Amino acid sequence: AQTVTQSQPEMSVQEAETVTLSCTYDTSESDYYLFWYKQPPSRQMILVIRQEAYKQQNATENRFSVNFQKAAKSFSLKISDSQLGDAAMYFCAYRKLQGAQKLVFGQGTRLTINP
Amino acid sequence: DTAVSQTPKYLVTQMGNDKSIKCEQNLGHDTMYWYKQDSKKFLKIMFSYNNKELIINETVPNRFSPKSPDKAHLNLHINSLELGDSAVYFCASSQDLDNQETQYFGPGTRLLVL
Repeated sequence: AQTVTQSQPEMSVQEAETVTLSCTYDTSESDYYLFWYKQPPSRQMILVIRQEAYKQQNATENRFSVNFQKAAKSFSLKISDSQLGDAAMYFCAYRKLQGAQKLVFGQGTRLTINP
Repeated sequence: DTAVSQTPKYLVTQMGNDKSIKCEQNLGHDTMYWYKQDSKKFLKIMFSYNNKELIINETVPNRFSPKSPDKAHLNLHINSLELGDSAVYFCASSQDLDNQETQYFGPGTRLLVL
């Protein structure tokens, strides 16, 4: 079974600084998808970024980028120029390429932005 | 123009009662899901339906019964509610089984069983 681990329950960063959230996963599949979702206090689950395992290039979305290390099964999220609105729970998630498309989530990392 | 909507947003009820949570998506997606987020914020899949057909059932107690009247709706009915059912329940949808489309989540329903 696939598992996703986020080893940092909480992180904090100064506004305008850069922070990196860690995620590791375990799978025997060679092709899959990885995601970072953000959950602000409103509870809404918002997709931040997505990475296809067959792509070597790291995904980027504005201030958000990932460091995808397939051999190490590592998928970290870097947030540059942190803003107060980035404060939220961040969840790393895994999904198989084909078949039943359930997301397997990590435990989450609570990110605090200090003004 | 809400993509995935859930009703109600909050539900407070007594142990032993039966309750339903409704989910609707207007994205034209074929696949819908229910996830449960417990008090420690851990999110776990419960069910998935594709074109009204059950495709995932993650060893959820049979007190939980999903119903999909059409592919735009996936409702969750819970019988004989227990204290441990207190959680936030999220509905989600995606294009189809094999497409790489992302899952889009509803706003969640916070269920509190007293």
